[in-house]
Amino acid sequence: GAGVSQSPRYKVAKRGQDVALRCDPISGHVSLFWYQQALGQGPEFLTYFQNEAQLDKSGLPSDRFFAERPEGSVSTLKIQRTQQEDSAVYLCASSKEGGNQPQHFGDGTRLSIL
Amino acid sequence: QQQVKQSPQSLIVQKGGIPIINCAYENTAFDYFPWYQQFPGKGPALLIAIRPDVSEKKEGRFTISFNKSAKQFSLHIMDSQPGDSATYFCAASMNNFNKFYFGSGTKLNVKP
Repeated sequence: GAGVSQSPRYKVAKRGQDVALRCDPISGHVSLFWYQQALGQGPEFLTYFQNEAQLDKSGLPSDRFFAERPEGSVSTLKIQRTQQEDSAVYLCASSKEGGNQPQHFGDGTRLSIL
Repeated sequence: QQQVKQSPQSLIVQKGGIPIINCAYENTAFDYFPWYQQFPGKGPALLIAIRPDVSEKKEGRFTISFNKSAKQFSLHIMDSQPGDSATYFCAASMNNFNKFYFGSGTKLNVKP
């Protein structure tokens, strides 16, 4: 597709359930990022992939958060045993290879934990 | 500790006015400063970006001013229109580290 695609757009889960969020980056983009955006705040970095390698996961808030990109294209962010504080918009971005490239964002998945 | 501080939190201007949004940073290793525009329910979209070797960059009605010594940069929107009403985020990154550090956002309302 022309842009970064994320699914689902909305996800409601009960506390304690596991969720999986999907990101389809722009074709050919080597780098892929996940950000978490709380209501009324700027995006906060979670993790970064270059191809299939996860090079930075310093922003993942706990070991309940796990991301993968097994074939260097589609990525999945998984949250286990969800908590209410996990409620946020999860944004995926992709960019070309190289430092300081513009990051192109998807429209995000709005996750609500009841 | 927020790496990039953004102000004001919200801004109201009349159509045709020139809103100015300011950002400040501490880490002198930052070398790339993009601005993003976000509409409700949408992801951030890149507007314009600057590197610290220039003091100003203009693209259409959007201008970034950069003051390296003060570690500050700002976004100016010329001839603002109601369609510019959105939330604007500044960000910063370092060449060897690809993640962006975002400011907390400025909600702009341009009145007709």
